[in-house]
Amino acid sequence: GAGVSQSPRYKVAKRGQDVALRCDPISGHVSLFWYQQALGQGPEFLTYFQNEAQLDKSGLPSDRFFAERPEGSVSTLKIQRTQQEDSAVYLCASSLSGRSGYTFGSGTRLTVV
Amino acid sequence: AQRVTQPEKLLSVFKGAPVELKCNYSYSGSPELFWYVQYSRQRLQLLLRHISRESIKGFTADLNKGETSFHLKKPFAQEEDSAMYYCALRVGNAGNMLTFGGGTRLMVKP
Repeated sequence: GAGVSQSPRYKVAKRGQDVALRCDPISGHVSLFWYQQALGQGPEFLTYFQNEAQLDKSGLPSDRFFAERPEGSVSTLKIQRTQQEDSAVYLCASSLSGRSGYTFGSGTRLTVV
Repeated sequence: AQRVTQPEKLLSVFKGAPVELKCNYSYSGSPELFWYVQYSRQRLQLLLRHISRESIKGFTADLNKGETSFHLKKPFAQEEDSAMYYCALRVGNAGNMLTFGGGTRLMVKP
């Protein structure tokens, strides 16, 4: 596609529910990043993939967060047993290589009630 | 660990006035610095990066290693410049992740 596509755009989850957020990067982009942006804050790094390899997951806040990119293209960020503090916009970005510029998706706004 | 600080949450100026959005960073090595912009209802997009040393939409930013700053400037603000601006840093030994500041909302009044 022409850009990075994220779905759903909005997600409301009850506390304790599991959610899965999807990211379709630009075709051919090797690197894929997930960021979390809380209200009024800048984006914070969660995890980074190069093709299907997860090279850095140091930003994942707890073991309830899990990300995968099994075929080196589409990526899914899963949050288990959601809590209110997980409410945020989750941004996905891709780049042709790790050192080139990012293209961001529109994000998924997660609200945990 | 590296850190990016944008001291102003909100900056309000009149059309035609000069603009300076402040960004300070903490990192002892040689980082790459970026400015990203998010217009209303649009996605985050790259505005400029220090290694390019270019002017985009009339904006410039100079990396000052002595003051560890990367302030964004424009001599004459336009209403269409109203947006959220984020300063970001990338360091070589931390993979390819970006560290963002908290953002500054620029409002340009007519």
